[in-house]
Amino acid sequence: DAGITQSPRHKVTETGTPVTLRCHQTENHRYMYWYRQDPGHGLRLIHYSYGVKDTDKGEVSDGYSVSRSKTEDFLLTLESATSSQTSVYFCAIKLATSGTRSYNEQFFGPGTRLTVL
Amino acid sequence: GENVEQHPSTLSVQEGDSAVIKCTYSDSASNYFPWYKQELGKRPQLIIDIRSNVGEKKDQRIAVTLNKTAKHFSLHITETQPEDSAVYFCAARDGTASKLTFGTGTRLQVTL
Repeated sequence: DAGITQSPRHKVTETGTPVTLRCHQTENHRYMYWYRQDPGHGLRLIHYSYGVKDTDKGEVSDGYSVSRSKTEDFLLTLESATSSQTSVYFCAIKLATSGTRSYNEQFFGPGTRLTVL
Repeated sequence: GENVEQHPSTLSVQEGDSAVIKCTYSDSASNYFPWYKQELGKRPQLIIDIRSNVGEKKDQRIAVTLNKTAKHFSLHITETQPEDSAVYFCAARDGTASKLTFGTGTRLQVTL
């Protein structure tokens, strides 16, 4: 599983509350990504990181912030959750190894299902 | 930025038939095109990918073709099986950063 985990796996929260999702990897990959997945929209990039404290916005970054204070953790924060942020959130890493795997491959975590009531 | 369109949104084929899913992209600088398969409740998983300097790539029953001039690429699945039923996503990586832009997905159903 490329050593990538997400927590929590499921969360129900109320509108207006802050929420933080965690992505953790154990293989020292430089690039990490946060996506949201919604029916009819596929996977849309929220934010990504290309190193410790180096982050950039994706196509749907409004209402989200991220932090990466160490290589293994990439945090996604919803400062004040809204119902439109109900979604499945996937973290991904870009694999750097060669050999049988494409060095460009993004490998996804198991996902977090977030419901904002 | 990059824009990826994917068609069809749903596809139903009989077991043993072939399935073709098509994607177009907008950024001529895009240079890497992966395809992901996502089963219900699971994470997307890479099934095949192609770089811009290659026109076709095969892996057993699946193949991907790329036409850079027309800026489109396609996934071909031959001899479909029930376990091929899933949602398939195409994506394109832009030429300036390590970001992927995904299509909206195709739900493939293989019927007996």
